[in-house]
Amino acid sequence: DTEVTQTPKHLVMGMTNKKSLKCEQHMGHRAMYWYKQKAKKPPELMFVYSYEKLSINESVPSRFSPECPNSSLLNLHLHALQPEDSALYLCASSQYNTGHLLTEQYFGPGTRLTVT
Amino acid sequence: AQSVTQLGSHVSVSEGALVLLRCNYSSSVPPYLFWYVQYPNQGLQLLLKYTTGATLVKGINGFEAEFKKSETSFHLTKPSAHMSDAAEYFCARYGNNRLAFGKGNQVVVIP
Repeated sequence: DTEVTQTPKHLVMGMTNKKSLKCEQHMGHRAMYWYKQKAKKPPELMFVYSYEKLSINESVPSRFSPECPNSSLLNLHLHALQPEDSALYLCASSQYNTGHLLTEQYFGPGTRLTVT
Repeated sequence: AQSVTQLGSHVSVSEGALVLLRCNYSSSVPPYLFWYVQYPNQGLQLLLKYTTGATLVKGINGFEAEFKKSETSFHLTKPSAHMSDAAEYFCARYGNNRLAFGKGNQVVVIP
């Protein structure tokens, strides 16, 4: 199974709402990632978890709160978002080699988020 | 900063013609390079990767890329374009514990 699943597929939320994005993989990968992708742009790294610990936070605003409850699950909690946060949010996973995260990343299909 | 450069955001190719997407990297050390494809409303899928060893790398869907250190390039090619190749293509390099993506090429296949 080389699949990364993400739910929901689409999400529309108001600026005062609280919502969560979910990501799951069963490949035994110990590194998981959140990316944000605006239309016609490359993905931008937001967070990296390795062995369920946050290892990289790319100075993401606190209205985005990641969580890694176990090695297969990754959540992104959303609160008080702005319209400019509307984007495709991609989750990815990879194996983790000591000292670096080099192996190919497997991406999920993404959650299309619209903030109204 | 170590990065990759993709020129020409839109690439039009006739069905059956050669697909050539250019990627140049800037690095003072041997890079780890990847090509990803993104179909509309989908996530990214790995086409191929170069880490060490053979400089001609074969990937999925008939794509291949050649690592040329002298030219700091990792261009992606496919001998004969198919309508199903219409997608966004990203070159990426690994460094500093993360992938750095190029700006991408939108490939349009003309029947």
